[in-house]
Amino acid sequence: TQLLEQSPQFLSIQEGENLTVYCNSSSVFSSLQWYRQEPGEGPVLLVTVVTGGEVKKLKRLTFQFGDARKDSSLHITAAQPGDTGLYLCAGTDAGKSTFGDGTTLTVKP
Amino acid sequence: GAVVSQHPSRVICKSGTSVKIECRSLDFQATTMFWYRQFPKQSLMLMATSNEGSKATYEQGVEKDKFLINHASLTLSTLTVTSAHPEDSSFYICSAMSGALYEQYFGPGTRLTVT
Repeated sequence: TQLLEQSPQFLSIQEGENLTVYCNSSSVFSSLQWYRQEPGEGPVLLVTVVTGGEVKKLKRLTFQFGDARKDSSLHITAAQPGDTGLYLCAGTDAGKSTFGDGTTLTVKP
Repeated sequence: GAVVSQHPSRVICKSGTSVKIECRSLDFQATTMFWYRQFPKQSLMLMATSNEGSKATYEQGVEKDKFLINHASLTLSTLTVTSAHPEDSSFYICSAMSGALYEQYFGPGTRLTVT
């Protein structure tokens, strides 16, 4: 069974601060996705990383895939209240995805 | 692209009745769809994998006779909660898999309340 550990589970910060969310596993994934979910809605795909060491940027969000393709991080610069939500990572291999437990982020104005 | 719809968005039903939830991929064909259940402030709990034209694969602990899944076409999967009870109240989300990277695109979810 593949497990994906996400940390921290909860994060509450002030607007303008930076933060990093981690996603770790002992398993190798062929790709890894990050999703963001707002209350009462379905998760929305933010990015997919495929290559070990890959870094992708989406405005103030920076995603990195570990060299061994077992872990990933999401860094948000100058967080805004609109970034508030549940962030989920999902490791995918052989057509099956394993989801992390999620990080609930609250950005206070 | 890669839009998934879900209907209804909210449903309230009486204990003992059945409820059907539809999941549609609007602009792509999906041979594989997934059904999840989510409790407040928790991650997604995979219930079953729905494959077009074949029987669904259920996760351990999920009753296949209670949660009936039908994937009759490449754009539609349905989840029927049979003989619903209050403990079945939850947020149900479907997703459809697309592309070579096996990305999942999620529907907006269905809030089920059983009274």
